[in-house]
Amino acid sequence: EPEVTQTPSHQVTQMGQEVILRCVPISNHLYFYWYRQILGQKVEFLVSFYNNEISEKSEIFDDQFSVERPDGSNFTLKIRSTKLEDSAMYFCASKGGGRILYFGPGTRLTVT
Amino acid sequence: AQSVTQLDSQVPVFEEAPVELRCNYSSSVSVYLFWYVQYPNQGLQLLLKYLSGSTLVKGINGFEAEFNKSQTSFHLRKPSVHISDTAEYFCAVSKDQGAQKLVFGQGTRLTINP
Repeated sequence: EPEVTQTPSHQVTQMGQEVILRCVPISNHLYFYWYRQILGQKVEFLVSFYNNEISEKSEIFDDQFSVERPDGSNFTLKIRSTKLEDSAMYFCASKGGGRILYFGPGTRLTVT
Repeated sequence: AQSVTQLDSQVPVFEEAPVELRCNYSSSVSVYLFWYVQYPNQGLQLLLKYLSGSTLVKGINGFEAEFNKSQTSFHLRKPSVHISDTAEYFCAVSKDQGAQKLVFGQGTRLTINP
């Protein structure tokens, strides 16, 4: 069964550094999403991406964040200058023509 | 905007006992409802969904949920739980518009005691 994959599984970075989280959505899916989950808290929507542009974003998704689909298969989330409060599990998800979002296993980002 | 409330942050139950995890939502438009499960140190897995039709939906691992429009609820139930059901359970809602993003509840940690 096709699945969403994410790399790396764990990323440790220093405050102020740039990080790029990578995702490979399910082939032929059209909608892509990033969510995050701070330890012990709920899963929060960051951004959705469709037809090569952001379709919706949350208040969390400020100018420090950006997304890209560079080559038709990968979907990336970039954080330009990481803060301590960016430490969280980041989930990528994709959706085809139906209603179900399929989530990847997540990348745990630790900012020190 | 939609919102989801999971009334119980933690639910401890004994093995083979029944369990109900509560979920209420609010929305001004028609919605789709989901339960996702997160096992320790893993990602989010779809447990079941309500899109339309019968209000009682069955999912994986013996779970079921009932959509109640008048009470705006979508409670999750299982008649007899196992140790392997220990996980975090998230109720989520999406609307039938736009990017159809999911809005999640706070989650309920289900702990099964032997």
